[in-house]
Amino acid sequence: DAGITQSPRHKVTETGTPVTLRCHQTENHRYMYWYRQDPGHGLRLIHYSYGVKDTDKGEVSDGYSVSRSKTEDFLLTLESATSSQTSVYFCAIRAQLNTEAFFGQGTRLTVV
Amino acid sequence: AQKITQTQPGMFVQEKEAVTLDCTYDTSDPSYGLFWYKQPSSGEMIFLIYQGSYDQQNATEGRYSLNFQKARKSANLVISASQLGDSAMYFCAMRVGNFNKFYFGSGTKLNVKP
Repeated sequence: DAGITQSPRHKVTETGTPVTLRCHQTENHRYMYWYRQDPGHGLRLIHYSYGVKDTDKGEVSDGYSVSRSKTEDFLLTLESATSSQTSVYFCAIRAQLNTEAFFGQGTRLTVV
Repeated sequence: AQKITQTQPGMFVQEKEAVTLDCTYDTSDPSYGLFWYKQPSSGEMIFLIYQGSYDQQNATEGRYSLNFQKARKSANLVISASQLGDSAMYFCAMRVGNFNKFYFGSGTKLNVKP
């Protein structure tokens, strides 16, 4: 298995609170991604990173921010959680151009 | 804009038969990669097969093959000799751009009947 760990695996939080999800990799891969998975939408790209401190927005970035201060960690922050952000969040890593992405086990986030 | 479309929300196939899952894509980038992933009910994402835009031959991996028709912008997944364990969600994905954005379709839920 690729060395990728998401934490926490499950979280319930209240509307309006900040939440940070962590993705940790031991593969030294350059590219890291955050997705959310919702029924009928598949996986939608929130933010991605192509190097330390190099990040960019994906399709559904509103309400989310990211940081990557070192190769192994990619943090996703919900600045003020809303019920629409209830979802399963996946982190993925990729080494280089023509390689597949490896996924973490996912984080189930519920905003009440 | 980049787009991946999977038009089959759900499909049924009889065990041991072959099944084709459709995927069309849209990009203006001449260099791209196409991927298929399987997501069983346990939730993990499992890589199945990859096709590069410049690859001349269709990719194959065991019982999986990718029917790549570049002019039609389609990248259908063919599963031969379906097994009960193939029941899962299947996602088509595309990698494009200099910074390797990775887009997914909405998925097809495959049910294999005994």
